[in-house]
Amino acid sequence: GNSVTQMEGPVTLSEEAFLTINCTYTATGYPSLFWYVQYPGEGLQLLLKATKADDKGSNKGFEATYRKETTSFHLEKGSVQVSDSAVYFCALSDSTNAGKSTFGDGTTLTVKP
Amino acid sequence: GAVVSQHPSRVICKSGTSVKIECRSLDFQATTMFWYRQFPKQSLMLMATSNEGSKATYEQGVEKDKFLINHASLTLSTLTVTSAHPEDSSFYICSAPEVGARNSPLHFGNGTRLTVT
Repeated sequence: GNSVTQMEGPVTLSEEAFLTINCTYTATGYPSLFWYVQYPGEGLQLLLKATKADDKGSNKGFEATYRKETTSFHLEKGSVQVSDSAVYFCALSDSTNAGKSTFGDGTTLTVKP
Repeated sequence: GAVVSQHPSRVICKSGTSVKIECRSLDFQATTMFWYRQFPKQSLMLMATSNEGSKATYEQGVEKDKFLINHASLTLSTLTVTSAHPEDSSFYICSAPEVGARNSPLHFGNGTRLTVT
């Protein structure tokens, strides 16, 4: 079956530091890949997505590239801000499964001023 | 963009009572909705898939009679926690993909914090 493995947290960075959160996946077929962000006390929001190999998703300074050869979708941001403190989830969606997604365990990011 | 509204955001109930949580898609149709439970260490556990007009599909280990799911229309799914106990206290989240949108991401509600006393 499908699975997503993401970097364990928590991750603590200083403001303006470079961020990488690793994500690798196992899937049959050709999944779409997503990063979601969850702020304290809220539900998840889509951060970015990529639907095919070599696609790069980007939003709010975050980027991730769909790497089929390494089955990875690592999240990066060049300069984090305090407001980026949240939990980040990597996920995949198999189009044969009616939108049902598989999630990683989440990585908590704390950015200190 | 697509919005999923979840209500209530917080609820406190006494042991043995039932609690209903609503999940509405506000500007799109959702033939399928997903219900999750989120534990303190942040992982999301898929509880069930709610299907409009038919029975929900429950994940292994989730009690159907305890967590009743109804998907009566294309925009509304409800989760009822019956005979709640303190161990049911958790953060419950619903989500829905857009019908007909290929590779659609999931749109999430803001979650419901249930506390059973």
